[in-house]
Amino acid sequence: GVTQSPTHLIKTRGQQVTLRCSSQSGHNTVSWYQQALGQGPQFIFQYYREEENGRGNFPPRFSGLQFPNDSSELNVNALELDDSALYLCASSLAGRATNHEQFFGPGTRLTVL
Amino acid sequence: AQKVTQAQTEISVVEKEDVTLDCVYETRDTTYYLFWYKQPPSGELVFLIRRNSFDEQNEISGRYSWNFQKSTSSFNFTITASQVVDSAVYFCALSNYGQNFVFGPGTRLSVLP
Repeated sequence: GVTQSPTHLIKTRGQQVTLRCSSQSGHNTVSWYQQALGQGPQFIFQYYREEENGRGNFPPRFSGLQFPNDSSELNVNALELDDSALYLCASSLAGRATNHEQFFGPGTRLTVL
Repeated sequence: AQKVTQAQTEISVVEKEDVTLDCVYETRDTTYYLFWYKQPPSGELVFLIRRNSFDEQNEISGRYSWNFQKSTSSFNFTITASQVVDSAVYFCALSNYGQNFVFGPGTRLSVLP
């Protein structure tokens, strides 16, 4: 399945954070979502073959990397209080599309103080 | 712009009752995909179904059934004979073939014993 680390993280405003995800074996596409408390997941971006393939309405301080070994990272610079949320990673065989079944990890709960 | 509305924020039913979760979507695309995901208290999103815009056949899977009506832009989800284990937040989601995946705000279902 999809795994994410760490499970929980506490940072202060202005700091930088890196969240990690290990995709399901064989999946070529990874997407990241931000889920604020009580809301639905918001699409941040998608990576396919190590390139950003699509992006939601998030500023450039949200960036990512996808590695050949089924792992990926979400980096957030200059943290703001509103960045506090559950960050979900999802892998799929979607390629350049977003219409495939996605397999989600358990998420990383980020708290910004 | 794409949008998903789930008007029911919370629903409570008693075990063995049937319950329908509503989903209304907006899109200008002629080709699109609709999904339902379940998010139990553990937090991990679980895929339930995917339906493309050209397939309006209703689907039944065990106690779950889905009713897709393009004329009303709705993709409703019914659980028959609900069980306590069905308690979760359910999300309806919409995707075009491009790089955009939109979740609704979710409906919290509580099934009481």
